[in-house]
Amino acid sequence: AQSVSQHNHHVILSEAASLELGCNYSYGGTVNLFWYVQYPGQHLQLLLKYFSGDPLVKGIKGFEAEFIKSKFSFNLRKPSVQWSDTAEYFCAATGSSNTGKLIFGQGTTLQVKP
Amino acid sequence: GAVVSQHPSRVICKSGTSVKIECRSLDFQATTMFWYRQFPKQSLMLMATSNEGSKATYEQGVEKDKFLINHASLTLSTLTVTSAHPEDSSFYICSAGRPESSYEQYFGPGTRLTVT
Repeated sequence: AQSVSQHNHHVILSEAASLELGCNYSYGGTVNLFWYVQYPGQHLQLLLKYFSGDPLVKGIKGFEAEFIKSKFSFNLRKPSVQWSDTAEYFCAATGSSNTGKLIFGQGTTLQVKP
Repeated sequence: GAVVSQHPSRVICKSGTSVKIECRSLDFQATTMFWYRQFPKQSLMLMATSNEGSKATYEQGVEKDKFLINHASLTLSTLTVTSAHPEDSSFYICSAGRPESSYEQYFGPGTRLTVT
């Protein structure tokens, strides 16, 4: 079955610390991967996406993610977090045959302490 | 560009009544829209895929007679929760895909439904 798994449910960091959020997927065939962020009281926003090509993807606000096919992973990273990065982060995937139907991971709550 | 709106943002209704939630793509035409449900502190669960001019496709376990979806135009999809019960209280989110890139979805701000 198709699935997306995020192992870190709640992460607490101090400002300037480095961040890595794990995401693993289980999909048959070609997969498209996304990271979304949901700030408190706001709607989901796309941070970055991977369809094909360079496995290291750079997104907005200094975030990046690396697609490692052999590990079925798409981890999100940021070298130095800010208090404003406090939010819920969702990894999601869709297959090329799914016409955009997204499957979301469980989400990771990131709390950055000033 | 690629803005999706939802109306209302919050609604409180009595048990047994029906509630309609609208999802609009404001600056693009969306042949496909998706409806999700999000419980507190949990992820989004896809309820159904709404295609303009055809019947919606519901995910397993979602009652199509309870959650009526209509996609009457390329910019509007509606979700009607019929005979609402307290267990239907949740955060409902829609998203819209652009025809040229159905893999990328743009999300609405969500609608908080509370059934008393």
